[in-house]
Amino acid sequence: AQSVTQLGSHVSVSEGALVLLRCNYSSSVPPYLFWYVQYPNQGLQLLLKYTSAATLVKGINGFEAEFKKSETSFHLTKPSAHMSDAAEYFCAVRNQGGKLIFGQGTELSVKP
Amino acid sequence: ETGVTQSPTHLIKTRGQQVTLRCSSQSGHNTVSWYQQALGQGPQFIFQYYREEENGRGNFPPRFSGLQFPNYSSELNVNALELDDSALYLCASSLEQATYEQYFGPGTRLTVT
Repeated sequence: AQSVTQLGSHVSVSEGALVLLRCNYSSSVPPYLFWYVQYPNQGLQLLLKYTSAATLVKGINGFEAEFKKSETSFHLTKPSAHMSDAAEYFCAVRNQGGKLIFGQGTELSVKP
Repeated sequence: ETGVTQSPTHLIKTRGQQVTLRCSSQSGHNTVSWYQQALGQGPQFIFQYYREEENGRGNFPPRFSGLQFPNYSSELNVNALELDDSALYLCASSLEQATYEQYFGPGTRLTVT
């Protein structure tokens, strides 16, 4: 069975600082991994996805993530945080048949 | 091209009642998945519909049921509502059942009192 663990339910950074949101996965087959963002009172927006091509994946809004099989990780980063990045971030793995299994989420706060 | 839409936006029901939530998939998408997101949690998969047939179900009791119509829109029905059913219900559509990208609607916030 596949699962996702997000380390840290809340991360706070200063504007302009590096953003690092951690995600570890468990999967018995090569995983397809995703990061979604959720702004207050909204649905989920896809930031980026890993589908077994390049291990460094670039997404929208300057975010990127690196797939590390040896560490079973798929951490999300952004070099310089912006106030508009404040939101909830979810890491997810896709199981066979296309169903998404989500982590618990990490709330990102950005301080001025 | 319109995105995924859901109705209603908010809903308040009493324990024991029944509720129907609606989802219109993105144009051209034939697969709809439903997720429940409790407060402070990640979304949990309820079930998926592909070409009007249920195509997989998560760990939810039978009082959660659904339909998909010929135009690929979908309904989620919940009978005998319980307080723990209070959550944001998200619908996601995709081009085919096994494609990578699911596009989410804004959700329906259900409160059970």
